[in-house]
Amino acid sequence: GAVVSQHPSWVICKSGTSVKIECRSLDFQATTMFWYRQFPKQSLMLMATSNEGSKATYEQGVEKDKFLINHASLTLSTLTVTSAHPEDSSFYICSAKQEYSNQPQHFGDGTRLSIL
Amino acid sequence: GQNIDQPTEMTATEGAIVQINCTYQTSGFNGLFWYQQHAGEAPTFLSYNVLDGLEEKGRFSSFLSRSKGYSYLLLKELQMKDSASYLCAVSKAAGNKLTFGGGTRVLVKP
Repeated sequence: GAVVSQHPSWVICKSGTSVKIECRSLDFQATTMFWYRQFPKQSLMLMATSNEGSKATYEQGVEKDKFLINHASLTLSTLTVTSAHPEDSSFYICSAKQEYSNQPQHFGDGTRLSIL
Repeated sequence: GQNIDQPTEMTATEGAIVQINCTYQTSGFNGLFWYQQHAGEAPTFLSYNVLDGLEEKGRFSSFLSRSKGYSYLLLKELQMKDSASYLCAVSKAAGNKLTFGGGTRVLVKP
């Protein structure tokens, strides 16, 4: 079945650091990928829709300059958390849906980001 | 906007049945999904309903009534490993975006 790979799984870094998270669709092409954030004991909140070859679409309240999204190929989207601060510590999860299919979105394994 | 409501927590006994309800209000409905999420892990797909009725998949079944904006996930013959959060998510026609409910934490006791 469709597989989505997310890297890295864990990141611990100092405040002010920028962190890049990669999301890859391994055996299918995805012109659209999605980035979510999940705080402890809460549900997934959609941050943005990543569109291959064009600008990402951000949800209301999500800072575009803070969370940079690049979707340069049909199998790779990246999320960069710029100048991260402790309040950015969260579980970030990407998902992708195979184009022109009835398959549901498949999620990556998530990235746990801890900012000290 | 979209409002998706589901209970916060449920407790059930091993071998029993539990029903998790989900109500939603949305425009441009394109289907309802149920995902299972164990603590610290990503969600895994359980079921998808786009037409009214019941979809059965082994121990898990999901029901949808579009006119009532209502769905439920039924877990039968509960096992300890079923202890997890269950997320109801609604898809809109435009862009296939998923909006998630708050999730229901199910605790299965021996």
